[in-house]
Amino acid sequence: SQTIHQWPATLVQPVGSPLSLECTVEGTSNPNLYWYRQAAGRGLQLLFYSVGIGQISSEVPQNLSASRPQDRQFILSSKKLLLSDSGFYLCAWSIQGFNEQYFGPGTRLTVT
Amino acid sequence: AQSVTQPDIHITVSEGASLELRCNYSYGATPYLFWYVQSPGQGLQLLLKYFSGDTLVQGIKGFEAEFKRSQSSFNLRKPSVHWSDAAEYFCAGGNDYKLSFGAGTTVTVRA
Repeated sequence: SQTIHQWPATLVQPVGSPLSLECTVEGTSNPNLYWYRQAAGRGLQLLFYSVGIGQISSEVPQNLSASRPQDRQFILSSKKLLLSDSGFYLCAWSIQGFNEQYFGPGTRLTVT
Repeated sequence: AQSVTQPDIHITVSEGASLELRCNYSYGATPYLFWYVQSPGQGLQLLLKYFSGDTLVQGIKGFEAEFKRSQSSFNLRKPSVHWSDAAEYFCAGGNDYKLSFGAGTTVTVRA
């Protein structure tokens, strides 16, 4: 069966510091991968998605970037965090050609 | 623009009572539709999905949803709510590999 992992689970970082969040998927090959942000009391905002290694599409211009160095690994990064980057970050995957997405447990990021 | 709307931000329901959460979609063609549930501090869990065919779909945890093309709706229902159903519920839809999510409905269950 497929499993999706995210780490760390929680993170507190000062403004201006770098960020690296990692997501890995097990039990499937060539998945579509997604990064979402969920601000407090709000819905999900799609940040990036990837349909293959090295293929990244950005949905919202911002302070963040994403990379997919391996088939089942998706990384969310920032060189300098802003206060507004605080939120709950969710990684998700889907089978190529299907809409159904499966979510990881999320990372709670607090920028202080 | 393609979108999914959840009109209710917060619903309070008594344990044992029925629950209905509303979802409306705006797409040129019928999208794939989903309901997800999120417990506090957790990821989203897929409750059920509609692709085509039977307009009444059954999901996990005793939930069902009905697709109504004439009303552009995909409402989620449960006949008898349990305290463990307290969570946030998201409707989502899409035609390709991206999904649009509603803003979510928070469900509170009172004893």
